Amino acid sequence: ELKVEQNPLFLSMQEGKNYTIYCNYSTTSDRLYWYRQDPGKSLESLFVLLSNGAVKQEGRLMASLDTKARLSTLHITAAVHDLSATYFCAVDSLYETGANNLFFGTGTRLTVIP
Amino acid sequence: DAGVIQSPRHEVTEMGQEVTLRCKPISGHNSLFWYRQTMMRGLELLIYFNNNVPIDDSGMPEDRFSAKMPNASFSTLKIQPSEPRDSAVYFCASSNREKSYEQYFGPGTRLTVT
Repeated sequence: ELKVEQNPLFLSMQEGKNYTIYCNYSTTSDRLYWYRQDPGKSLESLFVLLSNGAVKQEGRLMASLDTKARLSTLHITAAVHDLSATYFCAVDSLYETGANNLFFGTGTRLTVIP
Repeated sequence: DAGVIQSPRHEVTEMGQEVTLRCKPISGHNSLFWYRQTMMRGLELLIYFNNNVPIDDSGMPEDRFSAKMPNASFSTLKIQPSEPRDSAVYFCASSNREKSYEQYFGPGTRLTVT
């Protein structure tokens, strides 16, 4: 069964600090997706990583993908309060099952403290 | 372009009543997904459709749940009879699997069953 694990599950960090969220997955996949969810809101797509070594950056967030290690990271630089949210990673299982649904991690709830 | 549209946004009903949730995917998208999100179980895939055909309904919790997609622009998720444990936020998402497996989420329907 395909598994997607994120850590940490909860992250409390001070403004201005850097930190990394990790996403490990068990399937053969070269596509990984990061989503953000604000409290009481829907999921918003942040990054789509489509190949080994892919790196994407948007503001203070940078995502990378290592398909050989089956690992993606979401790096936060100089955190600000507006980044407080829950972050999900997801992978598809195309190579294993041929299906196009996504498997989501449990999410990392980030709280940035002033 | 309009995103994924869901209705109603909030639904409060009594146990035993029938509940119907509605979703309009993004025009041109050929895959549609229904999710349920709770604090205890996180984000769960209930069912998904490709080209209006149900592909995987293994996440549907019980026979009380049913989903249909009569055409490319409309889908329903029905719960009959509803129970308090069905209280959750139900999300609909769509994607164009020929372009990417990235899913675009609707605003969700918050269901409360009393």
